[in-house]
Amino acid sequence: SQQGEEDPQALSIQEGENATMNCSYKTSINNLQWYRQNSGRGLVHLILIRSNEREKHSGRLRVTLDTSKKSSSLLITASRAADTASYFCATATPSSSASKIIFGSGTRLSIRP
Amino acid sequence: DAGITQSPRHKVTETGTPVTLRCHQTENHRYMYWYRQDPGHGLRLIHYSYGVKDTDKGEVSDGYSVSRSKTEDFLLTLESATSSQTSVYFCAITAGQHNYGYTFGSGTRLTVV
Repeated sequence: SQQGEEDPQALSIQEGENATMNCSYKTSINNLQWYRQNSGRGLVHLILIRSNEREKHSGRLRVTLDTSKKSSSLLITASRAADTASYFCATATPSSSASKIIFGSGTRLSIRP
Repeated sequence: DAGITQSPRHKVTETGTPVTLRCHQTENHRYMYWYRQDPGHGLRLIHYSYGVKDTDKGEVSDGYSVSRSKTEDFLLTLESATSSQTSVYFCAITAGQHNYGYTFGSGTRLTVV
């Protein structure tokens, strides 16, 4: 079963507005990552937040992590048409051999002009 | 994506035939992964490798095998393709065991008829 689950499944907002996506997970993690996927393309790594961090910023992206609630949020400020994509959270669980990340089902974000 | 290529990009094959997908990287990364992406399931881990000849199963490994004889190449083989293996397959690489983001290939769209 999947570790991370995003909410909402789909989100449509006006250009310039902020977009917030949430991710919940079930077990302890080393880190949580967010990825973007444009239609027909591979995934692009956006940001990684470690389990001992609570907030991280990268440009217009802000990620928070609440390990007590096993949840994370991705905020995209001042959205643009180019932000239209699917966004996935992925959790990295402790492993002796390799880092393995498990993906959620994703949030489809549409930015209306 | 820079440093990682998948081949072929598209393939149509018949049920019962063997199929091999190739992932090639030029980053000299130790860790390589194969995922499949299906509607409603996000990305699911098939197999991964943590070094030459070192591989392990992911969450959906039945019907798949992998091989890694060189650092740069990670092969995914469907021994006897079935219609349920129709999917988009993504290869990913990462630089280290912990707290590194993944770089994804552009994917292989496989159709089993």
